[in-house]
Amino acid sequence: EPEVTQTPSHQVTQMGQEVILRCVPISNHLYFYWYRQILGQKVEFLVSFYNNEISEKSEIFDDQFSVERPDGSNFTLKIRSTKLEDSAMYFCASSDDLAGYNEQFFGPGTRLTVL
Amino acid sequence: QQQVKQSPQSLIVQKGGISIINCAYENTAFDYFPWYQQFPGKGPALLIAIRPDVSEKKEGRFTISFNKSAKQFSLHIMDSQPGDSATYFCAARATGSQGNLIFGKGTKLSVKP
Repeated sequence: EPEVTQTPSHQVTQMGQEVILRCVPISNHLYFYWYRQILGQKVEFLVSFYNNEISEKSEIFDDQFSVERPDGSNFTLKIRSTKLEDSAMYFCASSDDLAGYNEQFFGPGTRLTVL
Repeated sequence: QQQVKQSPQSLIVQKGGISIINCAYENTAFDYFPWYQQFPGKGPALLIAIRPDVSEKKEGRFTISFNKSAKQFSLHIMDSQPGDSATYFCAARATGSQGNLIFGKGTKLSVKP
């Protein structure tokens, strides 16, 4: 069964450093998303991406964040200068927009720890 | 601010019992309501979803009940099993949104054997 994959599973970084989280969405999907989940809290939307551009973003997704689809398979989230409060689980999701309801399939997540 | 309120925060059910998780929303422009199941260390997995033009949807042991006038929807797990022990999230998508799902805070379900 096709699945979304994410690397690395755990990333530890120092405050102020740049990190890039990688995702490989399901191959025939066209819509891509990043969410985050701070430990013990709800899943929060960060950004959606379609046709090589951001289609929607939340207040959390400020200038420190960027997304990119550098090739036909990868989808990345970059945090330019990490803060302690960026520590969270980051989930990538993808959708084929079946029936227009964007049923989203999530990856296993990358746990980001900022020290 | 758009919100989805979920209750209870945690739930303990005996094997074979019915687990019920409730969600309420305020924004009437939501048009899609999925439920996600999350096991520790894993990403959320889509369990079942409903659109506001139906009042109930059943898939196996899982049923969503939807009350549009009350702006409430709930997940019922019949014949709950220990393998159902997980965190369940309700979510909603605003009409016209590009897939931005607004999640509830989650319910940790424990099914005792």
